[in-house]
Amino acid sequence: ELKVEQNPLFLSMQEGKNYTIYCNYSTTSDRLYWYRQDPGKSLESLFVLLSNGAVKQEGRLMASLDTKARLSTLHITAAVHDLSATYFCAVEVLSYNTDKLIFGTGTRLQVFP
Amino acid sequence: DTGVSQDPRHKITKRGQNVTFRCDPISEHNRLYWYRQTLGQGPEFLTYFQNEAQLEKSRLLSDRFSAERPKGSFSTLEIQRTEQGDSAMYLCASSFAPRDTQYFGAGTRLSVL
Repeated sequence: ELKVEQNPLFLSMQEGKNYTIYCNYSTTSDRLYWYRQDPGKSLESLFVLLSNGAVKQEGRLMASLDTKARLSTLHITAAVHDLSATYFCAVEVLSYNTDKLIFGTGTRLQVFP
Repeated sequence: DTGVSQDPRHKITKRGQNVTFRCDPISEHNRLYWYRQTLGQGPEFLTYFQNEAQLEKSRLLSDRFSAERPKGSFSTLEIQRTEQGDSAMYLCASSFAPRDTQYFGAGTRLSVL
């Protein structure tokens, strides 16, 4: 069964610093999502990566996908407090009899002054 | 477009009671998904519908769980004879079609005492 692993699980970083969150998955998939979740809230879609080598950027966040390595990264540039949240990657599983997202365990990001 | 709506937001019940949650998807979204999220974990897939047809049920969905989507609009998730292990956030998501982004509701947090 498909497994999705994220690391680190917790990330405490200072404002202005850069860091990368990693998402590894165990079987072939060509579609990967990144979601953000604030405490007690639902999931907000950030990026969908559709093919090998895909790169998307929004503000201080940039996501990439390497389907051959089964790896996606979420890079944070010059972190600010507003980015504090939990970030999930999710891999799509789609076939004739299934359609679902398999989520990683999440990376809880805390940005401090 | 009012987004995915879930009701209630919070439910506290005693062990052994039945509970029912409701999800209203984004208008014209044909696919509807239920996920469960426990504290510190990513969401886990439970089941999904294409219009009114329930196409897949996870092994997590025991016989005490039943989901419906009459007329392909709103959906209900019922848990019979609740157990403390059922305590979780139950998330609903919808998408227009396969391979489209899943948009999540705010969730129903269930606490079983």
